[in-house]
Amino acid sequence: ETGVTQTPRHLVMGMTNKKSLKCEQHLGHNAMYWYKQSAKKPLELMFVYSLEERVENNSVPSRFSPECPNSSHLFLHLHTLQPEDSALYLCASSQDASTGNTEAFFGQGTRLTVV
Amino acid sequence: AQKITQTQPGMFVQEKEAVTLDCTYDTSDQSYGLFWYKQPSSGEMIFLIYQGSYDEQNATEGRYSLNFQKARKSANLVISASQLGDSAMYFCAMRGDRFAAGNKLTFGGGTRVLVKP
Repeated sequence: ETGVTQTPRHLVMGMTNKKSLKCEQHLGHNAMYWYKQSAKKPLELMFVYSLEERVENNSVPSRFSPECPNSSHLFLHLHTLQPEDSALYLCASSQDASTGNTEAFFGQGTRLTVV
Repeated sequence: AQKITQTQPGMFVQEKEAVTLDCTYDTSDQSYGLFWYKQPSSGEMIFLIYQGSYDEQNATEGRYSLNFQKARKSANLVISASQLGDSAMYFCAMRGDRFAAGNKLTFGGGTRVLVKP
């Protein structure tokens, strides 16, 4: 069983829908991340939370809204998405957001299709 | 800025043979970490191996070893005795040791490995 769990695994939504992606980690980590993986593009960091406080937003459009209510849970709220937002969304956690020797553990991702 | 380059978009390897996946990086940080991840078709990113920039010995984890050449800024992954289950995408990544807000993992574009029986 992975230490980072993402739900749902697959999501199809219309451009006018509102949905949320959920991520939960059971590793006692202090940092959580959202990544976007599109076809033929490197993994893109979207958001970083350290100790429940957002420390980086890589110029992500406002139609993506993260929420981190506690150190174990991370949400990505979606609204009025575009077809180009279709991608695999990966959640990750790490012990610490600031040091170089801590690996990130990833969930299995949510495969999002916007129609 | 950090950059990771993986020049092999895809490769075939015969079962039980070894394969080397190339990774070069660029950073101005003095201290950093290098990582390799495996992503099977299920989507999950699986951590494989870590190499610190000040580690004197190359990292090894079971059938995985990292050929770290600091002067050349390369961190190639070697998979020995390939198995069919090794077929996946492989990503090289790095993280600097600077306390910058959101000290993030920077990923390369990945290499798809297909192991042939």
